[in-house]
Formats: sequence, C-alpha cells, structure tokens
Amino acid sequence: EPEVTQTPSHQVTQMGQEVILRCVPISNHLYFYWYRQILGQKVEFLVSFYNNEISEKSEIFDDQFSVERPDGSNFTLKIRSTKLEDSAMYFCASTQGEGTEAFFGQGTRLTVV
Amino acid sequence: AQSVTQPDIHITVSEGASLELRCNYSYGATPYLFWYVQSPGQGLQLLLKYFSGDTLVQGIKGFEAEFKRSQSSFNLRKPSVHWSDAAEYFCAVGLMEYGNKLVFGAGTILRVKS
Repeated sequence: EPEVTQTPSHQVTQMGQEVILRCVPISNHLYFYWYRQILGQKVEFLVSFYNNEISEKSEIFDDQFSVERPDGSNFTLKIRSTKLEDSAMYFCASTQGEGTEAFFGQGTRLTVV
Repeated sequence: AQSVTQPDIHITVSEGASLELRCNYSYGATPYLFWYVQSPGQGLQLLLKYFSGDTLVQGIKGFEAEFKRSQSSFNLRKPSVHWSDAAEYFCAVGLMEYGNKLVFGAGTILRVKS
C-alpha cells in the first residue's frame, strides 16, 4: 500500500538553527500539506501546496517557514531560525484532490533546545 | 470560523463494552468529515470518512460513524471495544475551499480496561 514517508523521525536542533523536514508524498497525489502537533495539543494546519505554489497557509506559517517541492517527489518544510516553541511533531500529508482523504506520514518529532 | 469540538478529553470503557465518541463541527457548507486514530508516538491513521450519501459510514477496525446534519455531529461508534483500540481519536472537517485543509478537534483519549 502506498504511504507518505517522512525523514528524519526525530530531529534535535539548537535554537536559532535552520532545519529542513523532508517528506515523500504518495506518487499520484496532487495536494501536499504540513501539520504540526505540539505535545498534548491538537493537530494544527500549517500550509497546503498545489501546482507548485502555496494554496493556503495558517497564521502559524510566518516568514520563518517555507515549503518547497524541489524535484517532483520530495516535499520539504524549512524553518529558518528555530525557536523553542517550534518543538512539536510535524506531519506531512497528501491527497489526490478535492473530496479525497488525506494520507499522513508517521511524523518528525522536532525538539529545539 | 470553522471549528471541531470533541467534548470528551478522556473516556474509559471496559473491554467488550460499546463506545461512542462525540464530535460536533461548525462549518457553513456541506462538510467532509473524518475520524483519525493516533497510537502513542505514531502518525494519524484514517478510520473512516463522510463525503456524501448514506449518513452512516463504516470504517476500518469495526468502527462506524453517523453524520447528523441537524445536530452538526459526526459521532464515532464501536459495538464492542478491544484493548488494542486504546489510542487517541481525532475528528476533523475538510475545508475544500481552503486548499482542502483539515481542521481537527482536540482529540479524545480512549482507555480500555480489562
């Protein structure tokens, strides 16, 4: 069964450092997403990406965040200068299109120290 | 604004007992509704979805959910709970006009006692 793959599973970084979280969505999917879940809290939408551009983003997704689909298979989330409050589980998801379900990766646990 | 409410933070049921997890949503248009399950340290697995049609939908692992438009609810049910069902359950509404994003509820942690 096709699946969304995320790497790394865990990342520890120092405050102020840049991190890149990587995702390989399901190959025939067209919409790509990043969500985050701070420990003990709900899953929050960060950004959606379609046709090589951002289609929607939340207020969390400020100038410190960026997304890219550099090579047609990978989908990355970059945090330019990490803060302690960026510590969370980050989930990548993809869908085939409107009216279809999202498939989620296993997540990357980011710890900023 | 769109929102999803799961009023129960924790629920404990005995193995073999029936289960109902509540979900209410606030959304102006016809919603796409989902239930996801998350085991500790794991990702989100889709249990079932409602897009249109029959308001009672069947999912994996013996779960079902009923969409009630008049009550803006999408409650998840299972007739007989197994110890392996212990996990956190998230209800979500899909917003097709906002890049297909999902808005999640806060989750309900299910504990199963033997």
